[in-house]
Amino acid sequence: AQSVTQLGSHVSVSEGALVLLRCNYSSSVPPYLFWYVQYPNQGLQLLLKYTTGATLVKGINGFEAEFKKSETSFHLTKPSAHMSDAAEYFCAVSPYNTDKLIFGTGTRLQVFP
Amino acid sequence: SAVISQKPSRDICQRGTSLTIQCQVDSQVTMMFWYRQQPGQSLTLIATANQGSEATYESGFVIDKFPISRPNLTFSTLTVSNMSPEDSSIYLCSVTLHDNEQFFGPGTRLTVL
Repeated sequence: AQSVTQLGSHVSVSEGALVLLRCNYSSSVPPYLFWYVQYPNQGLQLLLKYTTGATLVKGINGFEAEFKKSETSFHLTKPSAHMSDAAEYFCAVSPYNTDKLIFGTGTRLQVFP
Repeated sequence: SAVISQKPSRDICQRGTSLTIQCQVDSQVTMMFWYRQQPGQSLTLIATANQGSEATYESGFVIDKFPISRPNLTFSTLTVSNMSPEDSSIYLCSVTLHDNEQFFGPGTRLTVL
């Protein structure tokens, strides 16, 4: 069965520092890959997605992620953290030939001044 | 994109009662999904609801506990039946557009006493 692993349930960075949130998936066939963000007491918002084509994907709010098939990874990065980036981040995969989303356990990002 | 609304936004219910959650989309969509997000947890898919057919439930979820209606292409309801405190969660609906990209409603925060 497909699974998604997010390494690190909590990540803390200083404002202006690099943000790196890790996501690995298990699949023999590359799935569609997504990152969602959930701000406190809000629904989920799509940050970015990878389907096909260019492996470096740019999303909203300065975030980007790179699909690495050899590493089965889709890590999320942002060069310079902002206080407003503090939220819960979920990596998700949509297995080949389905419409479902399988979510990782989430990573809570804290940004310190 | 899609704009999704849910009613109610939150509710506090007594054990043994049932609550019906409504999900309204601003455009016609084929597939709608219902998720549960337990406190501090990730999202778990409850079922997929297609218009004109029975909902498809994921392992661990049954129709008697979570009956779903999908009367048309813009609306769905999820009922949480015979509630217990373990049902306290956020319930979210979502719709899928192209490339399996899902848009989420704001969620319904349910507390069962």
